[in-house]
Amino acid sequence: DTAVSQTPKYLVTQMGNDKSIKCEQNLGHDTMYWYKQDSKKFLKIMFSYNNKELIINETVPNRFSPKSPDKAHLNLHINSLELGDSAVYFCASSPGGRGSTDTQYFGPGTRLTVL
Amino acid sequence: SQQGEEDPQALSIQEGENATMNCSYKTSINNLQWYRQNSGRGLVHLILIRSNEREKHSGRLRVTLDTSKKSSSLLITASRAADTASYFCATAQGAQKLVFGQGTRLTINP
Repeated sequence: DTAVSQTPKYLVTQMGNDKSIKCEQNLGHDTMYWYKQDSKKFLKIMFSYNNKELIINETVPNRFSPKSPDKAHLNLHINSLELGDSAVYFCASSPGGRGSTDTQYFGPGTRLTVL
Repeated sequence: SQQGEEDPQALSIQEGENATMNCSYKTSINNLQWYRQNSGRGLVHLILIRSNEREKHSGRLRVTLDTSKKSSSLLITASRAADTASYFCATAQGAQKLVFGQGTRLTINP
């Protein structure tokens, strides 16, 4: 049983396009995250949602818009893709509520390549 | 801002040897966590050590935390080929935020 799943696993697209990445967790966790891992393996948090409410919004361009239809799903929509958006995007979840810094469970990642 | 910094960036040892990786950080933390990432995969949690703990063990893993020096180490004993991966430390700050370092790439040679 997959705990945190992401689709698609690979995404290749042209500059200027709009794309979405979906994430689902079946762990019953309250909090979900999006991370970006660049080519140097540096992993940086982008967003965090707790029970559908946005908690963390790092300095991410507003071309990136997260959407959480329910606490088990956190999707990431990216408008007007740029070359610098090429990276691996990871979804994660954790059981804690606000203020908690629990263990996080990661999805397998989505490798985005912008041409 | 980047918090945890791992050292060394890459480590190559023979199977059966011990591997030690270090992590330094800059601000006060709630806890510090270590994760493993196999090539092309997501991160997997290994161990969490709280700010009031000094040492923790899990199987072949031993983690130490020195809050006065703002540093942690991860020791993997009796390494195996399957331990080949990147290892990340992550420091827990407020508001459910984990800040990751760039990782140590560990290669175990048969």
